[in-house]
Amino acid sequence: EAEVAQSPRYKITEKSQAVAFWCDPISGHATLYWYRQILGQGPELLVQFQDESVVDDSQLPKDRFSAERLKGVDSTLKIQPAELGDSAMYLCASSFRTGLNEKLFFGSGTQLSVL
Amino acid sequence: AQSVSQHNHHVILSEAASLELGCNYSYGGTVNLFWYVQYPGQHLQLLLKYFSGDPLVKGIKGFEAEFIKSKFSFNLRKPSVQWSDTAEYFCAVIRAGGSYIPTFGRGTSLIVHP
Repeated sequence: EAEVAQSPRYKITEKSQAVAFWCDPISGHATLYWYRQILGQGPELLVQFQDESVVDDSQLPKDRFSAERLKGVDSTLKIQPAELGDSAMYLCASSFRTGLNEKLFFGSGTQLSVL
Repeated sequence: AQSVSQHNHHVILSEAASLELGCNYSYGGTVNLFWYVQYPGQHLQLLLKYFSGDPLVKGIKGFEAEFIKSKFSFNLRKPSVQWSDTAEYFCAVIRAGGSYIPTFGRGTSLIVHP
């Protein structure tokens, strides 16, 4: 079965540094999501893309976080500068389209540790 | 704002015991409901889903869930758990009429002792 690819798998950085995460969704999936999962909690949406357009980024801390999906395929999530509270698992998910009946396919995530 | 509540945060069972994990949501309109599972070291994957029709939904690995609209609930059940069911279980809801963004509960950690 096709998978959502994410890299790196782990990232350790010092606070105030910049970090970037990459996601390649399943081929043909128009909708892409970035979620953040803090230990012991469920995934929380950061940003949703439909093709190359942002659909919802209301929960994205825009003073330090940015996300792009320039060609409507792969996506990059950036944090600059990183803060201690950003330590979490960053999950990318994709679906064929946006809608009620769509299930999400998740990548393995990027575990970020900010020191 | 829509929320998804999973009241059981940690569940520990012995093999062959029955399982029921609670999930409640706060939105009163049309919703689609999902249970996702994350086995140790693996990515989140779909366990089962409810869209419409029969409120009793059967998923993979012997799991089932019942949608009770009057109680805003979608509880996950399995009659007899196995050690391999040890995982994190997440309930998720998609609300109709919005941006169709899946909202997740905080998850339930299930440990099954052999």
